[in-house]
Amino acid sequence: TQLLEQSPQFLSIQEGENLTVYCNSSSVFSSLQWYRQEPGEGPVLLVTVVTGGEVKKLKRLTFQFGDARKDSSLHITAAQTGDTGLYLCAGGYFGNEKLTFGTGTRLTIIP
Amino acid sequence: DTEVTQTPKHLVMGMTNKKSLKCEQHMGHRAMYWYKQKAKKPPELMFVYSYEKLSINESVPSRFSPECPNSSLLNLNLHALQPEDSALYLCASSQDSVGSYEQYFGPGTRLTVT
Repeated sequence: TQLLEQSPQFLSIQEGENLTVYCNSSSVFSSLQWYRQEPGEGPVLLVTVVTGGEVKKLKRLTFQFGDARKDSSLHITAAQTGDTGLYLCAGGYFGNEKLTFGTGTRLTIIP
Repeated sequence: DTEVTQTPKHLVMGMTNKKSLKCEQHMGHRAMYWYKQKAKKPPELMFVYSYEKLSINESVPSRFSPECPNSSLLNLNLHALQPEDSALYLCASSQDSVGSYEQYFGPGTRLTVT
């Protein structure tokens, strides 16, 4: 069973602070996606990374795929209240129809 | 446009009712998915349709019956549900089920079984 463990599970920080969320696995993935989900809504795709060592930036969010394609991180600079939500990583494999979802990180930004 | 729409937004049904959840996408995607999500948990895959054919059924009880009328539509028929089936039901689509991994989700249907 492929597992994606996210840490921390919960994170509550003040607006303006920086934070990093981790997504770790013992398995190699072909690609990894990050989603943000707000209560009662569907997950919204933020980014897809496919190359080991790849770094992608989306405004204040920086995503990195590990060199061995087993792990990923999401770094948020100067967090804003609009960043509040459930962050999910999800790994995919070539030739496989399923995504393996991470355990999730619930982020709360305090004004 | 990366929009997946789902109706209804909320549904309350009794255990003897029959209802359907509907999902639509106009991105030309050939793979569509149903997920179930309980509170504070990640989505759990239920079904995958690839090119309008059911390709994965994750051992879902027969009281959930999917159908894919055409490449843009996906339905989930519900019958004789149990209270533990109450959850957020998410539809997603992707360009292909095996060549592309970017799944785009709809807003979900919040289902309550009484």
